[in-house]
Amino acid sequence: AQSVAQPEDQVNVAEGNPLTVKCTYSVSGNPYLFWYVQYPNRGLQFLLKYITGDNLVKGSYGFEAEFNKSQTSFHLKKPSALVSDSALYFCAAGSAAGNKLTFGGGTRVLVKP
Amino acid sequence: ETGVTQTPRHLVMGMTNKKSLKCEQHLGHNAMYWYKQSAKKPLELMFVYNFKEQTENNSVPSRFSPECPNSSHLFLHLHTLQPEDSALYLCASSQEVRDTQYFGPGTRLTVL
Repeated sequence: AQSVAQPEDQVNVAEGNPLTVKCTYSVSGNPYLFWYVQYPNRGLQFLLKYITGDNLVKGSYGFEAEFNKSQTSFHLKKPSALVSDSALYFCAAGSAAGNKLTFGGGTRVLVKP
Repeated sequence: ETGVTQTPRHLVMGMTNKKSLKCEQHLGHNAMYWYKQSAKKPLELMFVYNFKEQTENNSVPSRFSPECPNSSHLFLHLHTLQPEDSALYLCASSQEVRDTQYFGPGTRLTVL
């Protein structure tokens, strides 16, 4: 069975500092990976995805993520966090051979001014 | 804003009621999904429909009954729910399965 782990329930960072949200996955075969963000009382919004190609994926709002096959990780990063980045972040993984996405438990990001 | 709408946005129902959640996507996608989001639990996939055919039922209790009359509409019929079914129910769509999913705003369901 596939699984996704987000080891941190919450990440606190000062505005202007780098932000990292961790994600590791376990899928059979080649993975496809996503990051989504959820603001209060809203649905999930797509940030970026990895299917094949460059290990460094650039997405919306200045976010990027690095696919690391050997560590089965797909950490989300932003060089300089904004207060408006405060939200709930979800990592998701699926297998290229399947049709189901599995989501991690989510990481709440709090960016303080 | 994402092209996926859900109604109602909030629903309170008793355990003996029957209600339905509606999802509509205006993106021309072929796949649609129902997810359950509970407090302190990962997002749980409930059902997947691809070209109106159900391709995934993630061991969901029969008190939840999905319906997909066409590729643009997805319903979730609810009956004799339990208080633990209270959650945010999210609908999503994608061009094909494995493509990027676009989510609606969700229906906040409270079962009394």
